[in-house]
Amino acid sequence: KNQVEQSPQSLIILEGKNCTLQCNYTVSPFSNLRWYKQDTGRGPVSLTIMTFSENTKSNGRYTATLDADTKQSSLHITASQLSDSASYICVVWTGGGNKLTFGTGTQLKVEL
Amino acid sequence: DAGVIQSPRHEVTEMGQEVTLRCKPISGHNSLFWYRQTMMRGLELLIYFNNNVPIDDSGMPEDRFSAKMPNASFSTLKIQPSEPRDSAVYFCASSVQGTTGELFFGEGSRLTVL
Repeated sequence: KNQVEQSPQSLIILEGKNCTLQCNYTVSPFSNLRWYKQDTGRGPVSLTIMTFSENTKSNGRYTATLDADTKQSSLHITASQLSDSASYICVVWTGGGNKLTFGTGTQLKVEL
Repeated sequence: DAGVIQSPRHEVTEMGQEVTLRCKPISGHNSLFWYRQTMMRGLELLIYFNNNVPIDDSGMPEDRFSAKMPNASFSTLKIQPSEPRDSAVYFCASSVQGTTGELFFGEGSRLTVL
């Protein structure tokens, strides 16, 4: 069964600190992996996409990694800001047929 | 450029009443999805359409749920009769079939059934 597991379930950090969110998947076949950010009361928005051949990709203060061998991805947030408070959802796509598997998300809260 | 538009944003109704949620996808997108989000289960796919045709409705929980897409720019999700356990946020999303799988979500419709 295709599954995406995220950890931790929730996280509280102080503004300016770094943090890393984890995503493990057992989806097959694998086409790509996306990290979505969902602000409270809003719909999810794609942050970054990782394909099979990519190991690291940055989008501003967000850096995603992918290890296709161990089927793990991480999202690292540098110098966190209050606006980073959100739910971060890992989604794996099998390619074709709109087969997406969603993780349940990590709820991040950044405090002063 | 307008994104996915959902209405209503909030709906409070009593058990047994009919609820209709509406969605306008991004122009040019040929795939449309309805998701339900709860704290316990996260985002769950209810149904998706390709070119206005329902492809997979295996996520629709019961016969009380139905969805239609009469044209490329409009879809509805109907719950009749509604029950308290249907309380959730319902998201509509659209995408271009055959690309990288990126979904563009609306702002959601928060449904509370009393």
